[in-house]
Amino acid sequence: EPEVTQTPSHQVTQMGQEVILRCVPISNHLYFYWYRQILGQKVEFLVSFYNNEISEKSEIFDDQFSVERPDGSNFTLKIRSTKLEDSAMYFCASSAEKVVNQPQHFGDGTRLSIL
Amino acid sequence: ILNVEQSPQSLHVQEGDSTNFTCSFPSSNFYALHWYRWETAKSPEALFVMTLNGDEKKKGRISATLNTKEGYSYLYIKGSQPEDSATYLCALRGSQGNLIFGKGTKLSVKP
Repeated sequence: EPEVTQTPSHQVTQMGQEVILRCVPISNHLYFYWYRQILGQKVEFLVSFYNNEISEKSEIFDDQFSVERPDGSNFTLKIRSTKLEDSAMYFCASSAEKVVNQPQHFGDGTRLSIL
Repeated sequence: ILNVEQSPQSLHVQEGDSTNFTCSFPSSNFYALHWYRWETAKSPEALFVMTLNGDEKKKGRISATLNTKEGYSYLYIKGSQPEDSATYLCALRGSQGNLIFGKGTKLSVKP
């Protein structure tokens, strides 16, 4: 069964450094998402992406965050200058269509630790 | 701000027990409710997407119901097995397709 893959599985970065999290969505999917879960808290929506542009973003997704789909297969999340509070599990998801009854398929996540 | 609540937070049952847990959400502007099963160190696995009031869906020993008028969904597991141990997440679909998650119910099934 096709799946969403994320790399790396664990990223350790010094505060203030830039980090790029990578995702390869399911190949025929058109809608892409990033979520994160800070330890002990709910999974939170960050951003959705369709047709090479951001569809929707949450308050968390400030100017330090950016997304792009550089080559038609990878979907990346960049955090420009990481803060301690960016430490979380980051999940990428994709869906085939935006219709209400389509599930979003998630990757295994990248655990980001900011020191 | 839309809020999704799940209860209980955790549940310990014996193998063979049947169990259920609840997801509560605002009943206005409903689009869809998603249930996911999430095992540690794995990706959340989609179980059900429920859209209509009165929906009942089933996948093996797991089933779910939906009441959009009163804003709740139940997930049932019949004859729990140790491999059912996981965190069960529900998520409300927002108007733009984003998911708003509850905190999950962590199920532990003892052999």
